[in-house]
Amino acid sequence: DQQVKQNSPSLSVQEGRISILNCDYTNSMFDYFLWYKKYPAEGPTFLISISSIKDKNEDGRFTVFLNKSAKHLSLHIVPSQPGDSAVYFCAASASGTYKYIFGTGTRLKVLA
Amino acid sequence: NAGVMQNPRHLVRRRGQEARLRCSPMKGHSHVYWYRQLPEEGLKFMVYLQKENIIDESGMPKERFSAEFPKEGPSILRIQQVVRGDSAAYFCASSPGTHGYTFGSGTRLTVV
Repeated sequence: DQQVKQNSPSLSVQEGRISILNCDYTNSMFDYFLWYKKYPAEGPTFLISISSIKDKNEDGRFTVFLNKSAKHLSLHIVPSQPGDSAVYFCAASASGTYKYIFGTGTRLKVLA
Repeated sequence: NAGVMQNPRHLVRRRGQEARLRCSPMKGHSHVYWYRQLPEEGLKFMVYLQKENIIDESGMPKERFSAEFPKEGPSILRIQQVVRGDSAAYFCASSPGTHGYTFGSGTRLTVV
């Protein structure tokens, strides 16, 4: 039962353009969402998060949008840079829990 | 302030041997989590520990797997009588509370 889904295993974007990574979830109890970035042979590093009381959170080039009614969130990277090439994982948790449920990841490749 | 330290980075074991994976949390972090990433999958929660206590081991296989976080020393994930299906990347994370994970670089276990 995949509660967090990233349906695009890979995405290629030209440098300077926008990258949009999508994530869907099924559990309506989830109220905290995170994006992690992972380079090969390294652990995931936290990128940005959003609580369900918000529908947008921005941090520099990274913006996360949350659509609760659609149970959908997306990560926008503008402008995309070659150093952004990595696997991006969406994760979700419910209040008072410590378990993060991860999606399967989207491999982003930013072409110079 | 060193990050979460995991060792070894790579571990090769023959079927039937034991694997011991170590995790030293960040200074000041008393919560440790272990996640496993199978090939082409997202990270899956295994166990949550605080010093000397297992809080939640609901993601651990019932047999052959155990975890500890002693009063002194690193957290240990132990896999007895390894099988090929145990080959995966094992990530440890630590936090000062129940959010704000920092992940280590992982241990890649290969069972031959």
